Amino acid sequence: GAVVSQHPSWVICKSGTSVKIECRSLDFQATTMFWYRQFPKQSLMLMATSNEGSKATYEQGVEKDKFLINHASLTLSTLTVTSAHPEDSSFYICSAQDSYEQYFGPGTRLTVT
Amino acid sequence: DAKTTQPPSMDCAEGRAANLPCNHSTISGNEYVYWYRQIHSQGPQYIIHGLKNNETNEMASLIITEDRKSSTLILPHATLRDTAVYYCIVYMTVWGNTGNQFYFGTGTSLTVIP
Repeated sequence: GAVVSQHPSWVICKSGTSVKIECRSLDFQATTMFWYRQFPKQSLMLMATSNEGSKATYEQGVEKDKFLINHASLTLSTLTVTSAHPEDSSFYICSAQDSYEQYFGPGTRLTVT
Repeated sequence: DAKTTQPPSMDCAEGRAANLPCNHSTISGNEYVYWYRQIHSQGPQYIIHGLKNNETNEMASLIITEDRKSSTLILPHATLRDTAVYYCIVYMTVWGNTGNQFYFGTGTSLTVIP
């Protein structure tokens, strides 16, 4: 099946700094990618839909100025958590759409100290 | 918002069939039922999907009721590696967006017992 990678797999940053997470579709082109956040023992929460060459669409309650999404190519989308705070610590997962299926990345564990 | 309801947890003996139910009573005619699973601290893994007919692949079988208001995922011979959270998702096409969002519910935590 199709493969989606994320980098880094885990990151620790200090409060107030910014962190960039990359999501790549390795063997297919994805016009659309999605970003999810998952807190411990909770389900995945969709944050935003990322469309190549256009602005991302954010879910209600997700701050677009805090979670910057760039989808510059058909194989790469990035999520930048700006001015990170400890409450942003979470598991961030991306997915890429190929036809009618979504393929998920392995996730990025972000810890803000 | 998620449009599915699943039991929060289930146990299954190793080697036996695991039957995971899902209610999606408000499903519309063009919405698919997808199943994914998530092993701890990993990304979700696709299992199977269907529209109205029963489906089977190398991982599982999907039984969808005739009225499509519920479905059951069947793992025919559960192994310890099948211990995971299983998500049933109704695939919703959002008008005006090029992408089709998945909204995850709370899922069922399946524990396979030796």
